[in-house]
This record gives sequence, structure tokens and C-alpha cells, in this order.
Amino acid sequence: DTGVSQDPRHKITKRGQNVTFRCDPISEHNRLYWYRQTLGQGPEFLTYFQNEAQLEKSRLLSNRFSAERPKGSFSTLEIQRTEQGDSAMYLCASSLERGGPYNEQFFGPGTRLTVL
Amino acid sequence: AQKVTQAQTEISVVEKEDVTLDCVYETRDTTYYLFWYKQPPSGELVFLIRRNSFDEQNEISGRYSWNFQKSTSSFNFTITASQVVDSAVYFCALSDNTGFQKLVFGTGTRLLVSP
Repeated sequence: DTGVSQDPRHKITKRGQNVTFRCDPISEHNRLYWYRQTLGQGPEFLTYFQNEAQLEKSRLLSNRFSAERPKGSFSTLEIQRTEQGDSAMYLCASSLERGGPYNEQFFGPGTRLTVL
Repeated sequence: AQKVTQAQTEISVVEKEDVTLDCVYETRDTTYYLFWYKQPPSGELVFLIRRNSFDEQNEISGRYSWNFQKSTSSFNFTITASQVVDSAVYFCALSDNTGFQKLVFGTGTRLLVSP
């Protein structure tokens, strides 16, 4: 039984470079979420997918950020022209919508991004 | 808008002491969910508990207990007889019952348990 996996676990890049992170949700989970956690803060919602459709984006998601979930399976989060303020832990979570009152989100280990 | 406040930034205790982590929330929803997560140094968020807004019954799980009071919009977490392994950052979170149920987290409380 595999949980949510994220790759890479750590990424160090120079300002101005592009980076891409990958999230593999739990198999058959149709909901996928991205959160960002900066140092000393709690995770903040970035975006949400229902299957392959991106249905919600936070105002935190500037136009340098783009997320995809082709075929409703894994998801990628790309940051273009990285800035030092992008340094954070990027967390992915998935859940299975079963029609019940609440659908538990399961979190991956996160990708820690450091922008020099 | 939903908001979660964890006023305690860091708490230090000695092993075997009891400790309570405070959480105050704000929401206009009548149906909502409250959570506690643990984040050890490894960084992965570990789910501890979920309560819905209609269930104010306190819950105990081993050394952990939770006190939910709608009258004060609080959802406090107590660890009894703390252990060194309890050292982590603890987050309280809130979710609504509509749409995609995103989680709104507090800023966390870092708990340091020393031997």
C-alpha cells in the first residue's frame, strides 16, 4: 500500500531557473491538492484538481506557477523564473471523493525548494 | 473567511509533563471540520484527528485528548505524560463542507520535550 509520493524531495536552484516537481497520488484518488509551506508557517493552499481538471487556484499562485494533472493521475507543479521568495516546502495531498461528508486528505513527504 | 489561530509558537516541557496546545478558529459555516496534524522533523504531515462541527464530544486516544468547544471556537489538544518522541510541530486546521474542502492551517506550535 503506497502513499502519496513526491519527487524530488529536495531541490536547490539558482534564481531565475525553472523547476518542476512531481506528485504521485494514492492510486484511484480523484482529488489532488498542492500546498506551500514557508518556514515557520502552516501549509497554504495553492491549487486543486478533480481528476484532470484544475478547478481552483489560490491567489498565491502567480502566473509563474503552472500545475497540470494529465489523465487524472500524477501531477506536476512548475515554477518559472524562480525567485528567492519561492523557497518553501511544496506539499501534495490526495483524496478519494466517495460522496460522504468528508474525504480525508493524505499528504506526501513534500519537496523542499531552496532558491539561491 | 476561515482562519485558524495557534497563539503558542513554541512550548518546552520536560518528559512526563502534560501539555495543552491551543487552537482557536473562525468560520461562518455551520458545517465544518477541525483537524490536528503532527509534523516531525522529517517534514511529512501526520494526521491525528478529525472532528465535525456537530460532534462536541471530547475524544481520547491513548495519551492524546481533544477538547472541542463551539461556544469559544476552540479545539485544544492535550498530550498526557509527554515523551521525547512527541517533539514536533503541531498544526490545527479547518475545512468547510462544500466544494473541494481545502484545508486552512494555523501557524503551528513547536513542542520540545526534553528528557
